[in-house]
Amino acid sequence: GESVGLHLPTLSVQEGDNSIINCAYSNSASDYFIWYKQESGKGPQFIIDIRSNMDKRQGQRVTVLLNKTVKHLSLQIAATQPGDSAVYFCAENLRNTGNQFYFGTGTSLTVIP
Amino acid sequence: GAVVSQHPSRVICKSGTSVKIECRSLDFQATTMFWYRQFPKQSLMLMATSNEGSKATYEQGVEKDKFLINHASLTLSTLTVTSAHPEDSSFYICSARGRTGGKATNEKLFFGSGTQLSVL
Repeated sequence: GESVGLHLPTLSVQEGDNSIINCAYSNSASDYFIWYKQESGKGPQFIIDIRSNMDKRQGQRVTVLLNKTVKHLSLQIAATQPGDSAVYFCAENLRNTGNQFYFGTGTSLTVIP
Repeated sequence: GAVVSQHPSRVICKSGTSVKIECRSLDFQATTMFWYRQFPKQSLMLMATSNEGSKATYEQGVEKDKFLINHASLTLSTLTVTSAHPEDSSFYICSARGRTGGKATNEKLFFGSGTQLSVL
């Protein structure tokens, strides 16, 4: 299957600092990506998405950057808060496999008060 | 936003029994539902994709006779783990995409809250 991987499995940041979570994907034909947040024992929550015709998209305290040249996307969280502690996944939409979404390994973010 | 309800949230059963997990789209019609499995500290693994009124498409390595999926209506999909064994213990998550009010919910996936299955 397709590979969607994250560079770092864990990340610890001080409260108030900015967080950057990275994701690499391998299918250059993919044109839609989503970042999800998953808290322990719960289902993933949608954070932000981006299409391949964009390089950057901003939400509330979050920004997603897409670099199609190197097949890399990142999630930036501004002024990280304790409530941001969770596992973050990037998901790649593979149109040529019937619109399934495949998830990366996940990065566990811990915010230190 | 669209809501997906998954039930039960937790189930403990004896080895050999079958367990059914329900996934409902509450405010939209889910033309496609996905079932994922997740082990502790690991990512979501897609098990199967189900379209309303048709047979589910299983990912390679997933036993269709073991994990029975039914998507009989636009708001309900079920996953039945047949003759469950301890190795089936896992966190199962459903997700759905579809249309609300005649408009597509874009391509976002809306997830259920997951079901923790523990087989003794």
